[in-house]
Amino acid sequence: DIQLSQSPSFLSASVGDRVTITCRASQGISSSLAWYQQKPGKAPKLLIYAASTLQSGVPSRFSGSGSGTEFTLTISSLQPEDFATFYCQQLDGFPPTFGPGTKVDIK
Amino acid sequence: QVQLVESGGGVVQPGRSLRLSCAASGFAFSSYGMHWVRQAPGKGLEWVALISFDEISKNYTDSVKGRFTISRDNSKNTVYLQMNSLRAEDTAVYYCAKDMKWLLNNYYFEYWGQGTLVTVSS
Repeated sequence: DIQLSQSPSFLSASVGDRVTITCRASQGISSSLAWYQQKPGKAPKLLIYAASTLQSGVPSRFSGSGSGTEFTLTISSLQPEDFATFYCQQLDGFPPTFGPGTKVDIK
Repeated sequence: QVQLVESGGGVVQPGRSLRLSCAASGFAFSSYGMHWVRQAPGKGLEWVALISFDEISKNYTDSVKGRFTISRDNSKNTVYLQMNSLRAEDTAVYYCAKDMKWLLNNYYFEYWGQGTLVTVSS
């Protein structure tokens, strides 16, 4: 299975901060990567797919980049509703796998 | 709008069975693959199973192969997960999720239900 790692695992930030989360794959996965946001007690929500394509309805402060083995999710200006756990997911190899998550908390 | 509503979770003893259902609305259900994804308490996400729009393809993660069966009834807009020989490590919130791709499976999980909790304990 393709393993995904995320860094940092925990991030404390303030409203208005620029936040970057990194996802690394154990082997090249082209651009076959998605990012999800999950708030406590809620289902995950798709933010970005194909590494950099913003899902419909997702605010433009979210962006994704990368290909191969290294990917980033950037929130340009953190808003109060963005505090959550973020997961990356690969679909290049079978089975699809998720990263361990990055929790973004309020500083 | 797309809605996915899971049901059927509960507390079950190890070795017993449970069937989860996911009722879908707001999209052309018979044209999309459907997935089950689970999340153990306080843990990350794990993909469990996929069924293609036409039921021809069914894929499973290794840990549930031979124990879980995914199925669907396109006349009822519902996907199921039959879980047999349950183990403590199957304890999780089970989400159904809609695949993004029309008539194909690309394993992007576009919409998710609210989840149903399965607890395997004696």
